Amino acid sequence: KNQVEQSPQSLIILEGKNCTLQCNYTVSPFSNLRWYKQDTGRGPVSLTIMTFSENTKSNGRYTATLDADTKQSSLHITASQLSDSASYICVVSGQAGTALIFGKGTTLSVSS
Amino acid sequence: GAVVSQHPSRVICKSGTSVKIECRSLDFQATTMFWYRQFPKQSLMLMATSNEGSKATYEQGVEKDKFLINHASLTLSTLTVTSAHPEDSSFYICSAREGGAGGELFFGEGSRLTVL
Repeated sequence: KNQVEQSPQSLIILEGKNCTLQCNYTVSPFSNLRWYKQDTGRGPVSLTIMTFSENTKSNGRYTATLDADTKQSSLHITASQLSDSASYICVVSGQAGTALIFGKGTTLSVSS
Repeated sequence: GAVVSQHPSRVICKSGTSVKIECRSLDFQATTMFWYRQFPKQSLMLMATSNEGSKATYEQGVEKDKFLINHASLTLSTLTVTSAHPEDSSFYICSAREGGAGGELFFGEGSRLTVL
C-alpha cells in the first residue's frame, strides 16, 4: 500500500535553532517527492521538488534530502524564524498516471 | 511563478443552500486539478481528482452527488457543495498540476466555508 509517513507530528523550537523533519514513503514506483509549507488558513506553497536522481536540493534556509534506496526524505530548516511556524507537508508521486500521496504533515512552532 | 486562484476565499451560507467554489489556473493549462478539504489542525484530505472534459474521480467516502465537480476548461474547475449542512463547514483547497504527472503542483489559497 502506498503510504507517506511524516515525523514528528509536531515540533516546538526556539528562534534561531535548526530542525529536521522526516518523511518516509512506500510509494512504488517513485517519480518525485515534494515538500510544501502551509501557513494556517492558507494554501500550501511549494518548497522543493525532487526526482529519483536528486539527493539534495536547497531553497534558501530550507534543504531537502532524498534517499531513494531507503525511501526517506528530510527537510532541514536552518536558523529558524518565527515565520517558519507552519505545517510542512511531504507529497510523493508515483510514475505517470498514479496518484499523489500526502503525508499528514509536521506542525512546526518557532518561539522567541 | 504559476498561480492558482480560488474564489471565494470565505463564504457563509444557510443550511440547505448550495455553494460554488471556483479554482482557476491563471497562467498555465491544467488538465488535472485536485480538490481537498481540511479540518482544523488536520492534514489535507483529497476529495476528488478533476479531469478536464471528463467526470471527476472521487475518493472513497466522498459523496459525488454532494460535492459536484466540473472541469469545463483547462483553466477552471468548480466544486459545488449541494444542500450544505453545518458538518460541511471546512477549509476547501484546490490544486492544479502544470504539465504531466511529474509537473509542479500549485495550490490555491483555500476557501473557508461556514454553514449556519
